Formats: sequence, structure tokens, C-alpha cells
Amino acid sequence: KQEVTQIPAALSVPEGENLVLNCSFTDSAIYNLQWFRQDPGKGLTSLLLIQSSQREQTSGRLNASLDKSSGRSTLYIAASQPGDSATYLCADVGSGGSNYKLTFGKGTLLTVNP
Amino acid sequence: KAGVTQTPRYLIKTRGQQVTLSCSPISGHRSVSWYQQTPGQGLQFLFEYFSETQRNKGNFPGRFSGRQFSNSRSEMNVSTLELGDSALYLCASSSGTGSPLHFGNGTRLTVT
Repeated sequence: KQEVTQIPAALSVPEGENLVLNCSFTDSAIYNLQWFRQDPGKGLTSLLLIQSSQREQTSGRLNASLDKSSGRSTLYIAASQPGDSATYLCADVGSGGSNYKLTFGKGTLLTVNP
Repeated sequence: KAGVTQTPRYLIKTRGQQVTLSCSPISGHRSVSWYQQTPGQGLQFLFEYFSETQRNKGNFPGRFSGRQFSNSRSEMNVSTLELGDSALYLCASSSGTGSPLHFGNGTRLTVT
């Protein structure tokens, strides 16, 4: 059974700092990995999706990497801003190839202080 | 392009009642999946529909059911509600395998 772990559970940083969020998974035979952010009381917003054949994806100040051999993914946020404050979740799609049965980590609550 | 729309946003029900939640996917998306989010368990997969057929199901009791219509809209039903069913229920749609999932803002269900 796939398990996804996110460390740390919470992180507080001053504005402008670069930071890394970690995600680890037990089954390396993943199909793809997706990073989301969730604002309080809201749904999830898709940030980046990395296919299993890819090593990383970039979008603006965000960069996500995937290392299947070690079972790890990282989300790098450059020059953090108060608007980045949210819960960040990673989710993997298992080796069955179904894009629709995601296993989520518990998330990292990020607070960026002005 | 409109996003995933879930109705209602909030629901308060009593134990033993049943409830139906609705989800309209992004236009053109044929896959709709449902997730339950609670503080203790996090996000858990309920089921996924594609072209009116349930393709995947999570580890939830039979009280949780769903369906998808020919226009890809989906409904989720929970019968004989229990206090533990209180949660945020999220619907997501996707255009196909390998494509990102897009989530709605969810329905907050409170069972008293």
C-alpha cells in the first residue's frame, strides 16, 4: 500500500526566503506526482505535475523535482511571499496508471511572515 | 473556462439522514473523482467515474455511493449518516491520464 509522507508538518519563514518542502513515498513505481496548495476552507489548486519519466518541472518561482529511486520529491519555492502561505500537499498516482486515484500526504502548513 | 463547481458549499445534517452532493466538472473533462478530507485522516480517495462508469473505489463502506451522468456531472450520496462522516468532500476532474487533477472548493458536511 502506497504511503506518502511530508516533512515538515509546518514551516514558518520570513518573506524573501527560499525554501524546500519534502515529500517521500514508499512505492517507487509511481505514474506521476502532483503538488497542490490548499488555502483555508478552499479546494486544492494544482501547482505542478511531474510524470514518472521526468526529473523536474518548473512554474514561475516553483520548482518540483522527482527522484523515483529514492522515493522522494521536493518542492522548491524561491523568494517566498506572504501570499504563498497555505498548506502544500503532494500526491502520487500509483503504478496502475490510473490518473484518478491519488494518495496524498498530510501536507506542510507554510506561513510566510512579512 | 469555468472550474469545477460543487454544490452546496455547506450542509448540516442529522445522524441517520442521507445526503447528496453534486459536482460539475470542467467542460470537456470526462473523469470525475471524489475525496474526503478530515483533520485526522487527511485526504482519502472515495471513487472515480469515467463515462458514467465507476472505475476505481476507495476503502469506504457501502453507505458511500456515487454516479455520473451523460454530461459528466457527478453526484455522491451518503446514506445513514454518522458523526464521523463530517468532513470536507472534494470533487476533482481531469481531461485524461497523465493530466493534472483540478479540484472544486468542496462541500463542507457537518453531521450532528
